[in-house]
Parts: sequence; structure tokens; C-alpha cells
Amino acid sequence: RKEVEQDPGPFNVPEGATVAFNCTYSNSASQSFFWYRQDCRKEPKLLMSVYSSGNEDGRFTAQLNRASQYISLLIRDSKLSDSATYLCVVNEPGYSTLTFGKGTMLLVSP
Amino acid sequence: GAGVSQSPRYKVTKRGQDVALRCDPISGHVSLYWYRQALGQGPEFLTYFNYEAQQDKSGLPNDRFSAERPEGSISTLTIQRTEQRDSAMYRCASSLDTPGYKAERGSYEQYFGPGTRLTVT
Repeated sequence: RKEVEQDPGPFNVPEGATVAFNCTYSNSASQSFFWYRQDCRKEPKLLMSVYSSGNEDGRFTAQLNRASQYISLLIRDSKLSDSATYLCVVNEPGYSTLTFGKGTMLLVSP
Repeated sequence: GAGVSQSPRYKVTKRGQDVALRCDPISGHVSLYWYRQALGQGPEFLTYFNYEAQQDKSGLPNDRFSAERPEGSISTLTIQRTEQRDSAMYRCASSLDTPGYKAERGSYEQYFGPGTRLTVT
């Protein structure tokens, strides 16, 4: 299986900051992309799917750059409750399963 | 509605014993996935089912690991002759449909259960 790479962090930011994570994937034919959020000792939870046109959900914006094979997640106006690990997830064509990155840890401080 | 449930939540077993981990997916979800997650890592794929058919078991580490989903709903992951290296969080996920097929947007998003923490002593 192909790789999904993320900067493990941690990213330490103050409340109210804007923070961005990137994730690179190695298979140019990959078709489906997701961001999951995982709190300490909890299960991963779907944050948002990433569509070719990009998508926004409140303070969160996801972008896909197929040419450079990366996905980004932008969080605006960070909250303390945003502190978590963010997992980048890719579905490769021909495989009906998902490949998870190792995650990027975000710590938002007061 | 109810999410994915897993049991037991914690399992401590002695090396050499067999264990069975259970997953109850979201009602109506066609696909069911098993993952293993080590601390500080993302979930690692083990196997997956479409209805009762095991479609891919390429992630199972060796032949001590097996899984079944006989009626297309509840699934059991069995580890025989457990070893200390099997200690990990075992997670189950389900999705309405299967990635890779032309499906409605969002229908193959996976939803995870709380996991079973397995410790082999």
C-alpha cells in the first residue's frame, strides 16, 4: 500500500490563532480524502471529507491539491477544544479501504 | 442512533490464550473494518467485510488472526495463541457503503467504535 505522510507536530498555538496542516500522499490516482480528529484515548471521528472543489465547515477548511498530491486542513480562530490529533486519510483506487497517516497533534493554549 | 459498539472494552489475557473481540456496526451499514492502532500511530488496516463476505484480509499480521461476519452484521476478530506483541487497541469501523465504488458522496465515510484495549501478559 502507498504512504500517507503527516508532520507529527505538536503544533502549539494560542487561542484565536489560525493553523494549517498538510498531508502528502504518494498515489496520484487516489480519489477520496478525509480528515479525522482523534482525542486522547478516544476513537477517531470524521471531521470532514475533502472534495476536489475544496470544502468549508465553519472554522475548518479542507483543500485538495492533486498536482502536488497534498491535502490541507485550515483551522481558523482556534479553540482550546480543538486540541487533538488530526489524521489524514486517503482511499487508493483498487483498494476498498482507507490508509491513515500517523496524525498531527495540535495543542491550543489559553 | 446508536454508533458502533465493541466489546469487551478492555481485555487482559495471558500469552498463549485465544481471544475474541466483538464489533456491532451501525445498523444498516454494509461495510465493516477492523484496524489495530498502536500508541502515537494512526489506525492500521487489518481486514474488511462487505455484508458477510470478507473482501480483503491483507492486513492481518499472520494466520493467528482471523475474522468473521457470518450474518452480515456483528463481526468477531479472533486472535489465537496470543503473544505480547499483539497488545494494542483494536478498533472496528463501519460505513454505509464501500469506497472505490460509485456511491453517493459521504456514503463510505467510516465511523469508529470505542475500541478494545488488548493487553497480553
